[in-house]
Amino acid sequence: GNSVTQMEGPVTLSEEAFLTINCTYTATGYPSLFWYVQYPGEGLQLLLKATKADDKGSNKGFEATYRKETTSFHLEKGSVQVSDSAVYFCALTASNTGKLIFGQGTTLQVKP
Amino acid sequence: GAVVSQHPSRVICKSGTSVKIECRSLDFQATTMFWYRQFPKKSLMLMATSNEGSKATYEQGVEKDKFLINHASLTLSTLTVTSAHPEDSSFYICSAKTSGDTDTQYFGPGTRLTVL
Repeated sequence: GNSVTQMEGPVTLSEEAFLTINCTYTATGYPSLFWYVQYPGEGLQLLLKATKADDKGSNKGFEATYRKETTSFHLEKGSVQVSDSAVYFCALTASNTGKLIFGQGTTLQVKP
Repeated sequence: GAVVSQHPSRVICKSGTSVKIECRSLDFQATTMFWYRQFPKKSLMLMATSNEGSKATYEQGVEKDKFLINHASLTLSTLTVTSAHPEDSSFYICSAKTSGDTDTQYFGPGTRLTVL
């Protein structure tokens, strides 16, 4: 079946540190991959997406590359800010149903 | 573009009453909308998929008579929690897909429901 696994949090970093949040998936077919971000008390915002192998999604300094060979879509940012503190969800679209399958979410805390 | 709104953002109600939550796509037509429930510090649980003009498709374990979903137009879907109980207290989030990008879901800001 389809599933998404993220690294457990919380991840605590100092401002300007390098960020990596690991995400791996299992899926039938060729899913699209997403990162969503949720700030406290809010809904989810689409951060970036990639629709096929070797695509790189990027937005607001965040990047993730669709790696079919390792079934991964790790999120990276070169220099985090306090305002990046949030919960990050990796997700895929199941090609047979069109439904979003979410990982469990990773909480990021950035300290000044 | 692709903005989704929800109303209300917070609601408190008494046990046994019904509560309606609206989800609107503000700048696009949404042929498909989704309703999720999120428990504290947990991921999102898909409750149902709603297509305009047809009955919603509920996920296994979700009571369709308790969580009534109506997708009356291409910009509006509603979720009604009937005869609410304290265990229905949760964060409810809707999302919508555009007809042009069938892969991406755009999420509303969520509704915090508290049942006393």
